[in-house]
Amino acid sequence: SQTIHQWPATLVQPVGSPLSLECTVEGTSNPNLYWYRQAAGRGLQLLFYSVGIGQISSEVPQNLSASRPQDRQFILSSKKLLLSDSGFYLCAWSRDGQETQYFGPGTRLLVL
Amino acid sequence: AQSVTQPDIHITVSEGASLELRCNYSYGATPYLFWYVQSPGQGLQLLLKYFSGDTLVQGIKGFEAEFKRSQSSFNLRKPSVHWSDAAEYFCAVDETTDSWGKFQFGAGTQVVVTP
Repeated sequence: SQTIHQWPATLVQPVGSPLSLECTVEGTSNPNLYWYRQAAGRGLQLLFYSVGIGQISSEVPQNLSASRPQDRQFILSSKKLLLSDSGFYLCAWSRDGQETQYFGPGTRLLVL
Repeated sequence: AQSVTQPDIHITVSEGASLELRCNYSYGATPYLFWYVQSPGQGLQLLLKYFSGDTLVQGIKGFEAEFKRSQSSFNLRKPSVHWSDAAEYFCAVDETTDSWGKFQFGAGTQVVVTP
């Protein structure tokens, strides 16, 4: 069976510090991968998606970036965090050619 | 542009009562439709999905949803709610024109279950 992991689960970072959130998927190959952000009391906003290694598409211009160094690894990064980067970050995967997205447990980020 | 609307931000329901959550979308073709549930501090869990065929779909935890093309709706229902159904519910639509699956999520409906 497939599983998706995210870490850390919770992170408190000062403004201006760097960020690295990791997402890994097990039990499947060549998944489509997604990063979402969920701000308090709001829905999900798609940030990045990837259909293969090294292939990243950005949906929203911002100070975040994403990378996919391995087939089942998806990383969300920032060089300098802003207060507005606080939120709940969700990683998801789907099988190539299928439409259901499966979500990880999320990372709660608080920027102070 | 495609959009997904969940008109009810917050719903309070008594345990044992029925529940209906509304979802409307604007899209030219018939999209793929999903309902997810999110417990506090957790990721999203898929409840059910509609791709084609029978417009009444059954999901997990006793939920069902009905796709009504004429109303561009995909409402979620449960005949009798349990306290464990207290959570936030998201409707999502997939733009099927792309192979990578771009989801558009509604803003969510928070469900509170009272004794």
